[in-house]
Amino acid sequence: GAGVSQSPSNKVTEKGKDVELRCDPISGHTALYWYRQSLGQGLEFLIYFQGNSAPDKSGLPSDRFSAERTGGSVSTLTIQRTQQEDSAVYLCASSSISYGYTFGSGTRLTVV
Amino acid sequence: AQSVSQHNHHVILSEAASLELGCNYSYGGTVNLFWYVQYPGQHLQLLLKYFSGDPLVKGIKGFEAEFIKSKFSFNLRKPSVQWSDTAEYFCAVKPSDTGRRALTFGSGTRLQVQP
Repeated sequence: GAGVSQSPSNKVTEKGKDVELRCDPISGHTALYWYRQSLGQGLEFLIYFQGNSAPDKSGLPSDRFSAERTGGSVSTLTIQRTQQEDSAVYLCASSSISYGYTFGSGTRLTVV
Repeated sequence: AQSVSQHNHHVILSEAASLELGCNYSYGGTVNLFWYVQYPGQHLQLLLKYFSGDPLVKGIKGFEAEFIKSKFSFNLRKPSVQWSDTAEYFCAVKPSDTGRRALTFGSGTRLQVQP
């Protein structure tokens, strides 16, 4: 597609429920990244996928967070047993070797 | 691990004023540097980037940034701001001497331009 697509754009969930956030990167981009942007904070790195290599999970804040990327394209970020502190905008980006990131519009997650 | 500091959290300027937003990073090796902008209600967009060569980089909308290696800085400048420059600005760094491609972002600077 023309850009990075994320769905849903907004998600309200009850504390303790699981959520799945989806990212559809730009076709041909080999790298895919997930970041989290909390109110008044910068972008917090979560995880990134590069081709067929093992993902860099060093930014995941707890074992309730996981992500996968199927077929080198679409990625899903899963948060289990959501907590209120998980409320944030979750941003996905993809990149090619010669360029910086292209970001999606994000998923605003609200845990109530 | 690298880190990025943006010391100005909130800047208020009048139209036509000059802008300089500070960005300092901590990493001893070679780096790629970026400025991203997020206009209200929009997604993050690349403003400019430095990979190598001329340390003075020109980006879109009249913005420029200068990489000063000795100061570990990559400050963003614009000679004359417009109301439409109201946005949040993020500096980011990526080591270029490792295989890691994830960017590390600063906490952002909110710029408010008053007409």
